[in-house]
Amino acid sequence: DGGITQSPKYLFRKEGQNVTLSCEQNLNHDAMYWYRQDPGQGLRLIYYSQIVNDFQKGDIAEGYSVSREKKESFPLTVTSAQKNPTAFYLCASSIGLAVPEQYFGPGTRLTVT
Amino acid sequence: QKEVEQNSGPLSVPEGAIASLNCTYSDRGSQSFFWYRQYSGKSPELIMFIYSNGDKEDGRFTAQLNKASQYVSLLIRDSQPSDSATYLCAVKSGGYQKVTFGTGTKLQVIP
Repeated sequence: DGGITQSPKYLFRKEGQNVTLSCEQNLNHDAMYWYRQDPGQGLRLIYYSQIVNDFQKGDIAEGYSVSREKKESFPLTVTSAQKNPTAFYLCASSIGLAVPEQYFGPGTRLTVT
Repeated sequence: QKEVEQNSGPLSVPEGAIASLNCTYSDRGSQSFFWYRQYSGKSPELIMFIYSNGDKEDGRFTAQLNKASQYVSLLIRDSQPSDSATYLCAVKSGGYQKVTFGTGTKLQVIP
């Protein structure tokens, strides 16, 4: 079965700790994305990558970091610098930036207290 | 002005009726338009995309695009209670890599 996996589904952390969210896809897609969803605000783009070893900041990259060492994997680190990290985090992929239909993983709900 | 606007709803329709969901966008250069369905607590699921003016049908779903008026709509025929969800409109602007999402319209199909 092809798809996108995100783990864990729920994550709890104490304030001041960095946390890494996993995203893996076996769709052979070149482009991958990270979004954050808060109630009433829609999806906001954090980072995106169109190719291995390359990634670009989205609209709300401050306090986040990513890596793209393998085509299949695009982990997101939420650092202690992110002021409001509690949110629903969604990873998506598309064949490429020129083919923009995006398919989403199941999401990780992060709670920081 | 928001780049992609949707009425938050809820939009309530009886089972079997046609549900009409609307979305307007601000960038005239937008080229690609998407509708996602999101059940409560779940991730968005792509259900339709449209690139050209006019209608595109897929089963009970029809996407309608009018670039001159800068709106895109989604019609759901023979609405079922299982269609109850939030529907997100998304737009990709020409020459720009980002897809912008609306905040979604909540649809309730009443049995």
